[in-house]
Amino acid sequence: DQQVKQNSPSLSVQEGRISILNCDYTNSMFDYFLWYKKYPAEGPTFLISISSIKDKNEDGRFTVFLNKSAKHLSLHIVPSQPGDSAVYFCAASGGTSGTYKYIFGTGTRLKVLA
Amino acid sequence: GAGVSQSPSNKVTEKGKDVELRCDPISGHTALYWYRQRLGQGLEFLIYFQGNSAPDKSGLPSDRFSAERTGGSVSTLTIQRTQQEDSAVYLCASSWRDGSTNGYTFGSGTRLTVV
Repeated sequence: DQQVKQNSPSLSVQEGRISILNCDYTNSMFDYFLWYKKYPAEGPTFLISISSIKDKNEDGRFTVFLNKSAKHLSLHIVPSQPGDSAVYFCAASGGTSGTYKYIFGTGTRLKVLA
Repeated sequence: GAGVSQSPSNKVTEKGKDVELRCDPISGHTALYWYRQRLGQGLEFLIYFQGNSAPDKSGLPSDRFSAERTGGSVSTLTIQRTQQEDSAVYLCASSWRDGSTNGYTFGSGTRLTVV
C-alpha cells in the first residue's frame, strides 16, 4: 500500500520556466511533509518542509503548497535552472507512523533543459 | 564528522552470504535511521535508533536483517543469508532528536548487489 504517491516518474522543463512536482498521500493523519532532492550517487538532501497547519511555505525559488482536503502537495521551482536536474522525493510523517518515521514517494526525475 | 559517512559505497556479494553495512552519523546527532531504495521504488524505512531508547525495528523486512548502534554513534546493518531481492541502495541518515522539523541528513548510501 503506497501511502505517498508521486505519479509522474519524470518531468522535463525548459530553463527559466516553472517546474511543478506533485505528490499525493492517502493517510489523513500525516501532518508534516518534506521534499528531498537527490543527485546520482549521492544521498537525498533536504529541500523544504511544510506542516499541516500551513498551506504554503516558500524558500527562495522553492515553494511547497499543501491542500489537505485533496491530500495533495506540490513543489514549485521558479525559475528552473539546469542544476535543479535531480530526482525529487516527497515524504510524509505523523499519525500512527510517528513523528520520526517518514514515508517516501517513489520520486520524480526532473530534467531542466538549457 | 562533517556528514553522514557510509561504508562500503558498493558491495557485491554472492547469494547466501552475510553482509555488514556501516554508518557513521553526524557527531552529536542522537537519531539514526536506515532506509533502503530498491530499483524503481521509493525510500523504504527499515529501523530507527534514538538515544538509549529501544529501536523501532518495524521496517525490517525479515529476521535476516538486524542492526545495532554501539555507544550511541556508529551503526551496523547486517543482512544474513542475502537474497537477490536484498539488492538495493541502503541509506543511513541522522538528525538531532527526531528530525521532524527539518528532516534528516542522509549519507551517500551503500549499493548492495546480490548475485
